Amino acid sequence: GAVVSQHPSWVICKSGTSVKIECRSLDFQATTMFWYRQFPKQSLMLMATSNEGSKATYEQGVEKDKFLINHASLTLSTLTVTSAHPEDSSFYICSARVPGQGPNTEAFFGQGTRLTVV
Amino acid sequence: AQTVTQSQPEMSVQEAETVTLSCTYDTSESDYYLFWYKQPPSRQMILVIRQEAYKQQNATENRFSVNFQKAAKSFSLKISDSQLGDAAMYFCAYRSAMDDMRFGAGTRLTVKP
Repeated sequence: GAVVSQHPSWVICKSGTSVKIECRSLDFQATTMFWYRQFPKQSLMLMATSNEGSKATYEQGVEKDKFLINHASLTLSTLTVTSAHPEDSSFYICSARVPGQGPNTEAFFGQGTRLTVV
Repeated sequence: AQTVTQSQPEMSVQEAETVTLSCTYDTSESDYYLFWYKQPPSRQMILVIRQEAYKQQNATENRFSVNFQKAAKSFSLKISDSQLGDAAMYFCAYRSAMDDMRFGAGTRLTVKP
């Protein structure tokens, strides 16, 4: 299957700093990528849809100025957590679908990034 | 908005036995797709099985099968001949034609040797 690579796998940052998470589609071009947040022992909550060459679409309640998404190329989307605070500590996962194969095809997920803000 | 409900936070099954995980969803759309994903301790999401809403036949993938009841908006996963490696979190997911995927709260499956 297609491969989605996420980097870093884990990161620890100080409160008030910003941290960038990268999501790459390694063997296909992804016009759309999705960013999820997962709290411990909870489900994946869709944060935003990242669209190549245009602005991301954020879910209700997600602060777009807090979670900056850039999808500058067909193989890379980045999520930047700005002015991070301890409550932003979570597991962040990206996903993408191989375009042109219909919505019944599976979404491929990155390995996830565990963010800890201290 | 679509919602996905998994009413079983935890389930347990004896190795080699069969277990069924429940999932219901709410939607007003007629065209949609349903998935079961597995998340082992590594937290990598792995597709288990998928079902198109327009297909009446239940999907099957080796030991995994679904019972799709469209009128009841139910999409349960049956795991036969359970193996130790099946232990994981299982998430039911709904995707609309608009392409975003929504997940249920998950069911933690324990397999007892």
